[in-house]
Amino acid sequence: EIVLTQSPTTIAASPGEKVTITCRASSSVSYMYWYQQKSGASPKLWIYDTSKLPSGVPNRFSGSGSGTSYSLTVNTMETEDAATYYCQQWSSIPPTFGGGTKLELK
Amino acid sequence: VQLKESGPGLVQPSQTLSLTCSVSGFSLTDYIVHWVRQPPGKGLEWMGVMWSGGTTTYNSALKSRLTITMDTSKSQVFLEINSLQTEDTAIYYCTRAGYGGFAYWGQGTLVTVSS
Repeated sequence: EIVLTQSPTTIAASPGEKVTITCRASSSVSYMYWYQQKSGASPKLWIYDTSKLPSGVPNRFSGSGSGTSYSLTVNTMETEDAATYYCQQWSSIPPTFGGGTKLELK
Repeated sequence: VQLKESGPGLVQPSQTLSLTCSVSGFSLTDYIVHWVRQPPGKGLEWMGVMWSGGTTTYNSALKSRLTITMDTSKSQVFLEINSLQTEDTAIYYCTRAGYGGFAYWGQGTLVTVSS
């Protein structure tokens, strides 16, 4: 099973600030997926195939990486971006999720 | 595309949990539905899936207690976990793939294991 380790666990950012969340895999994966989850809501697919944004996701979000190191970046933090973000892989079964990064508004 | 989980909100320890995922807007003959759970305040755990051929793949940590089945004619996927423990208290989601990831999620159903 591939273990995904996210860092930091929690991060606070001011409006307009740039934020980067990292996800490291215990073995190489082909793609990384990211989910946004707000309190009391189901997760939403936020980035797919490492760097692609589903319809409706603001383009201030971006994803990058390869092999065992991936990241999600918010170019300019906005109030609505406060949430928990999870990375996920399924280059190998079982699909696994990272432990989550809580992004808070400073 | 819609998915909706249903089941008992409270189950006693050592009992069996049965959940149903009812889907609409797509056919279970064309798309696969997975089960994911989330203990309160914790992260996401993939549980398992029934593939189109009828085979199943389960999280190894749950394999001995978990059964996933489906009825394509009723557009429903079923999950059973036996020998429930308090650690099984969680929000249970069914989710369908899209864009290569889990693009569609149900609202989730909270299951509390307690006597």
